[in-house]
Amino acid sequence: GENVEQHPSTLSVQEGDSAVIKCTYSDSASNYFPWYKQELGKRPQLIIDIRSNVGEKKDQRIAVTLNKTAKHFSLHITETQPEDSAVYFCAASAPPILGGYNKLIFGAGTRLAVHP
Amino acid sequence: DTEVTQTPKHLVMGMTNKKSLKCEQHMGHRAMYWYKQKAKKPPELMFVYSYEKLSINESVPSRFSPECPNSSLLNLHLHALQPEDSALYLCASSADREVGGYEQYFGPGTRLTVT
Repeated sequence: GENVEQHPSTLSVQEGDSAVIKCTYSDSASNYFPWYKQELGKRPQLIIDIRSNVGEKKDQRIAVTLNKTAKHFSLHITETQPEDSAVYFCAASAPPILGGYNKLIFGAGTRLAVHP
Repeated sequence: DTEVTQTPKHLVMGMTNKKSLKCEQHMGHRAMYWYKQKAKKPPELMFVYSYEKLSINESVPSRFSPECPNSSLLNLHLHALQPEDSALYLCASSADREVGGYEQYFGPGTRLTVT
């Protein structure tokens, strides 16, 4: 089955710096890669995702890149702000054999701290 | 509207109690999910319903019993739980992947404490 590894487990940056979180996956059939942000006591919030037919996607200060050959994808946050502090989870999903659902395999998470 | 709602927000129950968690979405999604999340861990999939039929049961103990009364509602019935079942229980939904729906949206969760 799919396995997703995420690094680093913790990341501390100064406000205004960039942050990069990396994930690798094992199942070459995986074709959907979302990133979730979870603040303390809150729900996981989908912040950006990418499908395997594109290599990069941007949304304001965040971007995700995908290297299908190497089976890794990364989250890039530029001009970090204190409100970016949270736990970030990457995930991967392969098409289900049957049915319209989407089974996500999560990485272990990265705790990002942005210091003013 | 990308909102999934869950009730209750908090639940404390004894090991002999029976309780239920409820989840609702009005986005027309046809897949609904139950996850369990322990502190400092990622969400762990428990059950998946697709078109109101149970599609995945990740070997969850029978003290957890899911139910999907209709396409908008998902319940999780709890009975004879153990203290180690204390966790955040998250519901999520997604559109039909076969017609292009991939995004999975989470509800706010129910914080369950088993005493």
